[in-house]
Amino acid sequence: DAKTTQPTSMDCAEGRAANLPCNHSTISGNEYVYWYRQIHSQGPQYIIHGLKNNETNEMASLIITEDRKSSTLILPHATLRDTAVYYCIVRVAEYGNKLVFGAGTILRVKS
Amino acid sequence: DTAVSQTPKYLVTQMGNDKSIKCEQNLGHDTMYWYKQDSKKFLKIMFSYNNKELIINETVPNRFSPKSPDKAHLNLHINSLELGDSAVYFCASSRTSETQYFGPGTRLLVL
Repeated sequence: DAKTTQPTSMDCAEGRAANLPCNHSTISGNEYVYWYRQIHSQGPQYIIHGLKNNETNEMASLIITEDRKSSTLILPHATLRDTAVYYCIVRVAEYGNKLVFGAGTILRVKS
Repeated sequence: DTAVSQTPKYLVTQMGNDKSIKCEQNLGHDTMYWYKQDSKKFLKIMFSYNNKELIINETVPNRFSPKSPDKAHLNLHINSLELGDSAVYFCASSRTSETQYFGPGTRLLVL
């Protein structure tokens, strides 16, 4: 699986959009971009994933560049409860394929 | 309506003991995983089972033995516990190659 690069930490004001970048310059054509987050002491929580097109769900939006070498997770109106470590992971969606977690980005939402 | 559950939530034990952690999912998934998160907070895959068959074994010591009595359960038995086994262990499940959903974790402390 391709490696990803994320900033170590970011701050965001409550109520503002949080934009979390991820670089995955060696991504292969059949690799998806997944985002998970881990709120302190809890299990990783699935947020969103995509292959080529931008995706949106009730939690977030995922913007993938046309060359697929980078992506941005957008939390449109961050709240204090969104403070967490956010992981960007690329993986092939195949039989039993594991998730390879990096260090992630610590997002601190401040009031 | 718990999706992926683990027991116990906390486990404190002495070195050399044998212990088990249980995982159950009610999502109807056919693939289950064990991940380990150490003190440095990195999450790493340990095992994966599909339809009760072992498909991933990531260079884990023989003291760790997963057992899947049925598709909804994946238990982790650890023999001769060592100090370095102290970590948080997360169970996850998915429908074959699709998105993985995690349990709340079991915090193991070996004294």
